Amino acid sequence: DQQVKQNSPSLSVQEGRISILNCDYTNSMFDYFLWYKKYPAEGPTFLISISSIKDKNEDGRFTVFLNKSAKHLSLHIVPSQPGDSAVYFCAAPDNTNFGNEKLTFGTGTRLTIIP
Amino acid sequence: EAQVTQNPRYLITVTGKKLTVTCSQNMNHEYMSWYRQDPGLGLRQIYYSMNVEVTDKGDVPEGYKVSRKEKRNFPLILESPSPNQTSLYFCASRRTGLNNQPQHFGDGTRLSIL
Repeated sequence: DQQVKQNSPSLSVQEGRISILNCDYTNSMFDYFLWYKKYPAEGPTFLISISSIKDKNEDGRFTVFLNKSAKHLSLHIVPSQPGDSAVYFCAAPDNTNFGNEKLTFGTGTRLTIIP
Repeated sequence: EAQVTQNPRYLITVTGKKLTVTCSQNMNHEYMSWYRQDPGLGLRQIYYSMNVEVTDKGDVPEGYKVSRKEKRNFPLILESPSPNQTSLYFCASRRTGLNNQPQHFGDGTRLSIL
């Protein structure tokens, strides 16, 4: 059962426009969410996170929105730049086993920024 | 530079030949973990360690072993590799004791078991 879902495998956006990546989750116990960015031949790099006590967190060009009632979060990138082309993963720590904080990942969205 | 280092980055080997993938972090992190990434499945946890000599199974531990004799190192051992262990592997670490700390990942090890 996929507890974190990214239903768009790919997204293409014109440079300078807004990129919106979406993520849905099913586990209502999740209380913290992260976005990771991954370039080819590299590991995932932490990008931005949000706690469930907030509905928005902003860091420069990146903003994450959380809608708890809909169990939905989104990552907005404004303005999009060619260097943003990468695979983006949504993730949530599963604290069912105390101390493990296993990250449950979505399957990723490949973002391509068109110059 | 703070980093998680995995070796080797790429390996092609044959069924049954024992192999070890090393992972080392220089951030003095207590928690370390191994994940595998497969198409359409995202990243799945294999094993994790909360500190030296403390390890436990993740979601897909079958066919793998780990050890944590030192804080900085967390090797992944495949005693008798099989083709279904062909995958991309990531090691990660994080600091504990503070809430909501992100995990830091290595650059990955691509294993092909023939």
